Amino acid sequence: EVQLVESGGGLVQPGGSLRLSCAASGFTLRSYWMHWVRQVPGKGLVWVSRMNSDGSLTSYADSVKGRFTISRDNAKNTLFLQMNSLRAEDTALYYCARVGCFGTNCYEDDAFDIWGQGTMVTVSS
Amino acid sequence: QLVLTQSPSASASLGASVKLTCTLSSGYSSYAIAWHQQQPEKGPRFLMKLNSDGSHIKGDGIPDRFSGSSSGAERYFTISSLQSDDEADYYCQTWGTGFGVFGGGTKLTVL
Repeated sequence: EVQLVESGGGLVQPGGSLRLSCAASGFTLRSYWMHWVRQVPGKGLVWVSRMNSDGSLTSYADSVKGRFTISRDNAKNTLFLQMNSLRAEDTALYYCARVGCFGTNCYEDDAFDIWGQGTMVTVSS
Repeated sequence: QLVLTQSPSASASLGASVKLTCTLSSGYSSYAIAWHQQQPEKGPRFLMKLNSDGSHIKGDGIPDRFSGSSSGAERYFTISSLQSDDEADYYCQTWGTGFGVFGGGTKLTVL
Protein backbone atom coordinates (compact mmCIF):
# COMPACT_ATOMS: atom_id res chain seq x y z
CA GLU A 1 0.00 0.00 0.00
CA VAL A 2 1.30 3.43 -0.93
CA GLN A 3 1.48 5.40 2.28
CA LEU A 4 3.05 8.39 4.04
CA VAL A 5 3.31 8.44 7.82
CA GLU A 6 4.37 11.57 9.68
CA SER A 7 5.86 11.62 13.16
CA GLY A 8 7.82 13.88 15.47
CA GLY A 9 5.15 16.36 16.46
CA GLY A 10 4.59 17.48 20.02
CA LEU A 11 4.53 20.37 22.46
CA VAL A 12 7.44 22.80 22.29
CA GLN A 13 8.10 26.19 23.84
CA PRO A 14 8.37 29.34 21.73
CA GLY A 15 11.86 29.60 20.32
CA GLY A 16 12.33 25.85 20.46
CA SER A 17 12.99 23.30 17.75
CA LEU A 18 11.34 20.18 16.42
CA ARG A 19 12.13 17.74 13.63
CA LEU A 20 9.28 16.13 11.75
CA SER A 21 9.66 12.91 9.77
CA CYS A 22 7.59 11.52 6.92
CA ALA A 23 8.15 7.83 6.21
CA ALA A 24 7.18 6.60 2.77
CA SER A 25 6.14 3.04 2.04
CA GLY A 26 4.85 1.25 -1.03
CA PHE A 27 6.88 3.45 -3.38
CA THR A 28 10.42 4.73 -3.87
CA LEU A 29 10.72 8.19 -2.41
CA ARG A 30 13.73 9.09 -4.56
CA SER A 31 11.51 9.26 -7.63
CA TYR A 32 9.21 11.98 -6.31
CA TRP A 33 9.14 15.64 -5.40
CA MET A 34 7.69 16.13 -1.92
CA HIS A 35 5.97 18.90 0.02
CA TRP A 36 5.01 19.86 3.55
CA VAL A 37 1.61 21.46 4.17
CA ARG A 38 0.15 22.64 7.46
CA GLN A 39 -3.31 23.23 8.85
CA VAL A 40 -4.40 25.05 11.94
CA PRO A 41 -7.24 22.93 13.40
CA GLY A 42 -10.52 24.15 11.99
CA LYS A 43 -8.80 26.19 9.26
CA GLY A 44 -7.59 25.58 5.71
CA LEU A 45 -4.51 24.00 4.18
CA VAL A 46 -1.39 26.13 3.80
CA TRP A 47 1.66 25.22 1.74
CA VAL A 48 4.95 25.24 3.69
CA SER A 49 7.86 23.79 1.74
CA ARG A 50 8.97 21.68 -1.24
CA MET A 51 11.96 19.57 -2.18
CA ASN A 52 12.90 17.97 -5.47
CA SER A 53 13.59 14.27 -5.89
CA ASP A 54 17.35 14.30 -5.26
CA GLY A 55 17.29 16.97 -2.56
CA SER A 56 19.14 19.62 -4.53
CA LEU A 57 16.25 22.12 -4.81
CA THR A 58 14.09 23.53 -2.04
CA SER A 59 11.56 26.30 -1.61
CA TYR A 60 9.67 27.73 1.36
CA ALA A 61 6.70 29.86 2.23
CA ASP A 62 7.73 33.34 3.36
CA SER A 63 6.29 32.64 6.82
CA VAL A 64 8.85 29.89 7.51
CA LYS A 65 11.81 30.93 5.36
CA GLY A 66 15.03 31.03 7.36
CA ARG A 67 13.54 29.01 10.22
CA PHE A 68 12.45 25.72 8.61
CA THR A 69 14.61 23.34 6.57
CA ILE A 70 13.28 20.53 4.41
CA SER A 71 15.52 17.55 3.72
CA ARG A 72 15.31 13.91 2.74
CA ASP A 73 17.11 10.61 3.12
CA ASN A 74 16.20 8.64 0.04
CA ALA A 75 18.07 5.59 1.29
CA LYS A 76 15.70 5.51 4.27
CA ASN A 77 12.67 6.57 2.22
CA THR A 78 12.10 9.46 4.61
CA LEU A 79 11.39 13.19 4.28
CA PHE A 80 12.15 15.64 7.10
CA LEU A 81 11.20 19.11 8.25
CA GLN A 82 13.54 20.76 10.74
CA MET A 83 11.69 23.57 12.49
CA ASN A 84 13.70 26.12 14.47
CA SER A 85 12.78 29.35 16.26
CA LEU A 86 9.23 28.12 16.58
CA ARG A 87 6.43 30.61 17.18
CA ALA A 88 2.89 30.27 18.49
CA GLU A 89 1.62 30.80 14.94
CA ASP A 90 3.44 27.65 13.81
CA THR A 91 0.97 25.60 15.85
CA ALA A 92 -0.74 23.32 13.33
CA LEU A 93 -1.14 19.84 11.97
CA TYR A 94 1.70 19.15 9.56
CA TYR A 95 1.18 16.93 6.53
CA CYS A 96 3.65 15.62 3.99
CA ALA A 97 2.39 15.14 0.45
CA ARG A 98 3.72 13.54 -2.72
CA VAL A 99 3.68 15.20 -6.12
CA GLY A 100 1.88 12.82 -8.45
CA CYS A 101 2.94 11.58 -11.83
CA PHE A 102 0.01 11.73 -14.23
CA GLY A 103 0.13 10.12 -17.62
CA THR A 104 3.43 9.61 -19.40
CA ASN A 105 5.03 12.87 -18.29
CA CYS A 106 6.00 13.62 -14.71
CA TYR A 107 6.47 17.24 -13.67
CA GLU A 108 8.16 18.71 -10.63
CA ASP A 109 5.18 20.92 -9.94
CA ASP A 110 1.87 19.09 -10.12
CA ALA A 111 -1.07 17.86 -8.06
CA PHE A 112 -0.45 16.14 -4.75
CA ASP A 113 -1.66 12.57 -5.03
CA ILE A 114 -0.70 11.02 -1.69
CA TRP A 115 -1.03 12.61 1.76
CA GLY A 116 -0.03 11.50 5.21
CA GLN A 117 -2.34 11.54 8.22
CA GLY A 118 -0.54 14.48 9.84
CA THR A 119 1.42 15.16 13.01
CA MET A 120 0.42 17.91 15.46
CA VAL A 121 2.85 20.61 16.50
CA THR A 122 1.90 22.84 19.43
CA VAL A 123 4.05 25.83 20.28
CA SER A 124 3.18 27.13 23.71
CA SER A 125 4.77 28.08 27.01
CA GLN B 1 -0.85 36.60 -7.91
CA LEU B 2 -2.00 33.00 -8.12
CA VAL B 3 -5.05 32.66 -5.87
CA LEU B 4 -7.84 30.09 -5.66
CA THR B 5 -11.27 31.16 -4.41
CA GLN B 6 -13.88 28.78 -3.01
CA SER B 7 -17.24 29.36 -1.36
CA PRO B 8 -16.96 28.56 2.37
CA SER B 9 -19.98 26.30 2.48
CA ALA B 10 -22.42 24.27 0.42
CA SER B 11 -25.26 21.93 1.21
CA ALA B 12 -27.44 19.43 -0.61
CA SER B 13 -29.81 16.61 0.25
CA LEU B 14 -28.99 12.95 0.51
CA GLY B 15 -29.21 11.41 -2.98
CA ALA B 16 -29.06 14.77 -4.76
CA SER B 17 -26.18 16.34 -6.69
CA VAL B 18 -23.94 19.23 -5.74
CA LYS B 19 -21.44 21.28 -7.74
CA LEU B 20 -18.53 22.98 -6.01
CA THR B 21 -16.59 25.80 -7.64
CA CYS B 22 -12.95 26.85 -7.49
CA THR B 23 -12.00 30.09 -9.27
CA LEU B 24 -8.50 30.88 -10.47
CA SER B 25 -7.31 34.46 -10.21
CA SER B 26 -7.06 36.66 -13.28
CA GLY B 27 -4.37 35.61 -15.74
CA TYR B 28 -4.24 32.01 -14.60
CA SER B 29 -7.25 30.53 -16.39
CA SER B 30 -5.10 27.92 -18.19
CA TYR B 31 -3.91 26.33 -14.96
CA ALA B 32 -4.83 22.83 -13.91
CA ILE B 33 -5.97 22.20 -10.36
CA ALA B 34 -6.54 19.25 -8.07
CA TRP B 35 -9.49 18.51 -5.81
CA HIS B 36 -8.94 16.99 -2.38
CA GLN B 37 -11.43 15.76 0.21
CA GLN B 38 -10.86 16.02 3.94
CA GLN B 39 -13.26 14.15 6.17
CA PRO B 40 -13.46 15.08 9.85
CA GLU B 41 -10.31 14.24 11.82
CA LYS B 42 -8.57 12.81 8.75
CA GLY B 43 -5.79 13.85 6.39
CA PRO B 44 -6.67 15.10 2.92
CA ARG B 45 -7.40 12.60 0.17
CA PHE B 46 -6.63 13.26 -3.48
CA LEU B 47 -9.74 13.08 -5.66
CA MET B 48 -8.68 14.23 -9.11
CA LYS B 49 -6.44 16.41 -11.22
CA LEU B 50 -8.57 18.68 -13.41
CA ASN B 51 -7.21 20.37 -16.52
CA SER B 52 -8.40 23.60 -18.12
CA ASP B 53 -10.09 21.68 -20.92
CA GLY B 54 -12.15 19.70 -18.40
CA SER B 55 -10.24 16.46 -18.79
CA HIS B 56 -9.42 14.88 -15.47
CA ILE B 57 -7.51 12.03 -13.89
CA LYS B 58 -9.00 10.52 -10.75
CA GLY B 59 -7.20 9.00 -7.82
CA ASP B 60 -7.38 5.31 -7.08
CA GLY B 61 -10.80 4.18 -5.88
CA ILE B 62 -12.56 7.47 -6.53
CA PRO B 63 -16.14 6.62 -7.52
CA ASP B 64 -17.77 7.46 -10.84
CA ARG B 65 -20.29 9.73 -9.12
CA PHE B 66 -17.41 12.18 -8.57
CA SER B 67 -16.61 14.25 -11.65
CA GLY B 68 -14.90 17.45 -12.70
CA SER B 69 -15.34 20.10 -15.38
CA SER B 70 -13.90 23.47 -16.37
CA SER B 71 -15.05 26.74 -17.89
CA GLY B 72 -12.64 29.63 -18.27
CA ALA B 73 -11.12 30.31 -14.88
CA GLU B 74 -13.70 28.17 -13.08
CA ARG B 75 -13.01 24.62 -12.03
CA TYR B 76 -15.91 22.51 -10.88
CA PHE B 77 -16.31 19.39 -8.81
CA THR B 78 -19.62 17.57 -8.93
CA ILE B 79 -20.88 14.83 -6.68
CA SER B 80 -24.00 12.97 -7.76
CA SER B 81 -26.12 10.65 -5.62
CA LEU B 82 -24.85 12.28 -2.43
CA GLN B 83 -24.09 9.97 0.46
CA SER B 84 -23.71 10.82 4.12
CA ASP B 85 -19.96 10.21 4.12
CA ASP B 86 -19.52 12.80 1.37
CA GLU B 87 -19.95 15.35 4.14
CA ALA B 88 -16.45 16.80 4.32
CA ASP B 89 -14.26 19.76 3.46
CA TYR B 90 -13.21 20.03 -0.17
CA TYR B 91 -10.07 21.88 -1.19
CA CYS B 92 -8.79 22.87 -4.58
CA GLN B 93 -5.03 23.07 -5.11
CA THR B 94 -2.82 24.42 -7.82
CA TRP B 95 0.89 25.06 -8.19
CA GLY B 96 3.43 27.49 -9.50
CA THR B 97 7.15 27.04 -10.01
CA GLY B 98 8.36 25.94 -6.62
CA PHE B 99 5.23 26.41 -4.57
CA GLY B 100 1.73 25.16 -3.92
CA VAL B 101 -1.52 27.09 -3.49
CA PHE B 102 -4.77 26.07 -1.85
CA GLY B 103 -8.25 27.46 -1.93
CA GLY B 104 -9.87 28.22 1.39
CA GLY B 105 -11.99 25.07 1.24
CA THR B 106 -15.71 24.40 0.98
CA LYS B 107 -17.51 22.68 3.83
CA LEU B 108 -20.14 20.39 2.32
CA THR B 109 -23.13 19.49 4.45
CA VAL B 110 -25.36 16.59 3.41
CA LEU B 111 -28.90 17.27 4.59
